[in-house]
Amino acid sequence: GQQVMQIPQYQHVQEGEDFTTYCNSSTTLSNIQWYKQRPGGHPVFLIQLVKSGEVKKQKRLTFQFGEAKKNSSLHITATQTTDVGTYFCAGGISGNTPLVFGKGTRLSVIA
Amino acid sequence: DAGVIQSPRHEVTEMGQEVTLRCKPISGHDYLFWYRQTMMRGLELLIYFNNNVPIDDSGMPEDRFSAKMPNASFSTLKIQPSEPRDSAVYFCASRPGPVGYGYTFGSGTRLTVV
Repeated sequence: GQQVMQIPQYQHVQEGEDFTTYCNSSTTLSNIQWYKQRPGGHPVFLIQLVKSGEVKKQKRLTFQFGEAKKNSSLHITATQTTDVGTYFCAGGISGNTPLVFGKGTRLSVIA
Repeated sequence: DAGVIQSPRHEVTEMGQEVTLRCKPISGHDYLFWYRQTMMRGLELLIYFNNNVPIDDSGMPEDRFSAKMPNASFSTLKIQPSEPRDSAVYFCASRPGPVGYGYTFGSGTRLTVV
């Protein structure tokens, strides 16, 4: 079945450093979504990408969807302690099928 | 809107007991999903509904698990009998339509089976 792999599993950074997490799908995706889960919390929707090569920005966060629509990345510039949490990508192979979530990248930010 | 509401927030039960988890989706959301989260397996889809109809329950681990959605505003996930390996956080999520929308997750139920 469809698999979504995320790396790295964990990332520890000093506050102010950049952070990137990568997501790869075993199948071509119709869309990819990103979520953030704070410790003890629930996943919160951040953004959706649907077009090949699409790039979207939210303040210090930059999201990319690969040309082949099989990979994606999330880059955070100048991390802050408020960025702490686990970032999940989730891919859909069609609009009607449920998302398959990656296992997430847990980000720790050292002040 | 109050968002997706799950109850209880925490549940501790003894092995062999029946457990019922509850979810109220956001009004107007046509899709409802039940996920289970563990450190080892991450977020696993158990079952999802569209307009109260179960569409895919292939993620349900075994016959001990069952889910219902008797109306658009309520769903239950039942485990009978419960086992220690069922210990996890169970999330309910809803979505308004098939395309272009993110999932809204509830706060989850942390289940511990001892």
